[in-house]
Amino acid sequence: SQKIEQNSEALNIQEGKTATLTCNYTNYSPAYLQWYRQDPGRGPVFLLLIRENEKEKRKERLKVTFDTTLKQSLFHITASQPADSATYLCALDIYNQGGKLIFGQGTELSVKP
Amino acid sequence: DAGITQSPRYKITETGRQVTLMCHQTWSHSYMFWYRQDLGHGLRLIYYSAAADITDKGEVPDGYVVSRSKTENFPLTLESATRSQTSVYFCASSLGAQEAQYFGPGTRLLVL
Repeated sequence: SQKIEQNSEALNIQEGKTATLTCNYTNYSPAYLQWYRQDPGRGPVFLLLIRENEKEKRKERLKVTFDTTLKQSLFHITASQPADSATYLCALDIYNQGGKLIFGQGTELSVKP
Repeated sequence: DAGITQSPRYKITETGRQVTLMCHQTWSHSYMFWYRQDLGHGLRLIYYSAAADITDKGEVPDGYVVSRSKTENFPLTLESATRSQTSVYFCASSLGAQEAQYFGPGTRLLVL
């Protein structure tokens, strides 16, 4: 069955540094992978989508990589700010199954000033 | 710009009662989804719909019923609520099958 693993420990970093979050998966070959941000008490917010034939995607201070050989995605936030503190979720988009997403349990990021 | 809304935002009910959670989106997105989020399990898909009158099961469909008579609405019904259905329920929509999903604010359900 599908399994997604994200950094199980919370990630604490200093403002201005780059945060790197990991998403590993097994037993699957997703056509897409997505990253979401979730703040306490709120619904997830879409950040980035990367396809299997794309190695890297960028949006402002965000960068996502997708290595289908390693079965891993890395999510980077450069020049991190306290406002970036949240839980970040990766999700596999199951190919040909109508947009069914399997979510990881998320990594809690805390950026200290 | 309403986007996607859910009602009620909070609900307390008793075991055995029927409960309906509402979801409404104003974008005319084809796809709509229901998830539940629990500590230790993360987000899990309950049901989804590719279009009006088309629905399919997700990972944890037992005890839930959905319908989609109109594109903009996707209600989720718990036919006979159980304590294990205490959770936070999120509705989401997307333009297409493999596109970004946009989530509602959630409904916090407590089953006593």
